[in-house]
This record gives sequence, C-alpha cells and structure tokens, in this order.
Amino acid sequence: DTAVSQTPKYLVTQMGNDKSIKCEQNLGHDTMYWYKQDSKKFLKIMFSYNNKELIINETVPNRFSPKSPDKAHLNLHINSLELGDSAVYFCASSLGKGEQFFGPGTRLTVL
Amino acid sequence: GDSVTQMEGPVTLSEEAFLTINCTYTATGYPSLFWYVQYPGEGLQLLLKATKADDKGSNKGFEATYRKETTSFHLEKGSVQVSDSAVYFCALRDAGNMLTFGGGTRLMVKP
Repeated sequence: DTAVSQTPKYLVTQMGNDKSIKCEQNLGHDTMYWYKQDSKKFLKIMFSYNNKELIINETVPNRFSPKSPDKAHLNLHINSLELGDSAVYFCASSLGKGEQFFGPGTRLTVL
Repeated sequence: GDSVTQMEGPVTLSEEAFLTINCTYTATGYPSLFWYVQYPGEGLQLLLKATKADDKGSNKGFEATYRKETTSFHLEKGSVQVSDSAVYFCALRDAGNMLTFGGGTRLMVKP
C-alpha cells in the first residue's frame, strides 16, 4: 500500500542515453512534483504538474520533460544524459496545495 | 527569489543531549514553514510544520516556532536519541505550493 512509488530505485547509464523514471501515487492526489537532490544533498524543485498547469523551474534544462499519462502518474524523461545529471530524483504528490508526500527516490548515475 | 538557509553539519551529539538546528528564510508574502527528515536510504518525511507567525509545530519531541520578526524556524529537541540520526531539511512553501529547501543538516547521535 505504498503511497508514492518510483521505479527504478537505481539507474546506471551512459552519457548521451535517453532514460525515464516512473512515479505513481495511489493517494488520489491531483498535483505531482519532481525534485532533484545533488551529491551535496541540496534539494531543488524541477516541476509541478496538475491536469491544468505545468510549472517548470527555469533552471531545468529542456532535456528534462515530465509526462503524465493520467492523474496518478508523472514520469520524468531525460534526453541526452550528462554527467551532471547524476543525482537522486524524488517524486512527490499533493492534493491541491496541501502537504506533499515524497517517494523513496531514484538514484541516477551517469557514466 | 525565496531562499532558506540552515546551519551546515554534521552536528554530532551524544544521546540525551539538547538539539538546535538553525533555519532562517527569505520570502515574499507569508510562506508556510516545514521541517522534513530524511533517514539513510529513504525519501523525505514531513516532521512538522507551521503556517503562520508564532505558530509552533511539534512532532516526536521536536519543536519549531515560526518567528516572523527574525524570519526563523529553528528546530529543537530536548533529548535526542540514536534513532534521530538523519538529515534534516528546513523548507518554505510559497503560494503556488512549491517547496524551497535549505541545504540540509546531518545529525549524528552517538550512544
């Protein structure tokens, strides 16, 4: 009965590849988010998305794109991976502007 | 833009010691303030929150008071346990429900 789940937990890939990270929530929430945590533990918002609006942090490269097949899912697609993309990526969800619940994270390593 | 500054760690304490982790913020408007905790290998969990000035959030023996005059939200606990060892993040939430995090403070509690 995991609330917010992410797959895979670990992802190791080569520079230049395209990869996706999946996120699913079973809380009935209508808003989902992606955060990036770098090696120094700094956490930054990347995207906020509901069925009406996508808010993008202006510092996020356009190689990153969120894709939402339905309200319960927000996948993160990354094109042309770079070394600096190595990080832990967290998905979160909320009901409107309520509390955000976080997934367990996906550790991405780009070689 | 909004920002959160918290003391750098690691903070190393003996069991039953008193804990303070400082957090200050810069924001327009009246943000809500949060403390999140990240245990090793896990995602973020909401520890406590305060939504307006002079509110005190509390949970599991941890407390923090929203001080508008000093733009601070310091985390305190009277007697820490080994199980409190984790990384603690101070955060603010803007009107768009986007979270801005501090850099995180690692707490290590020794028996």
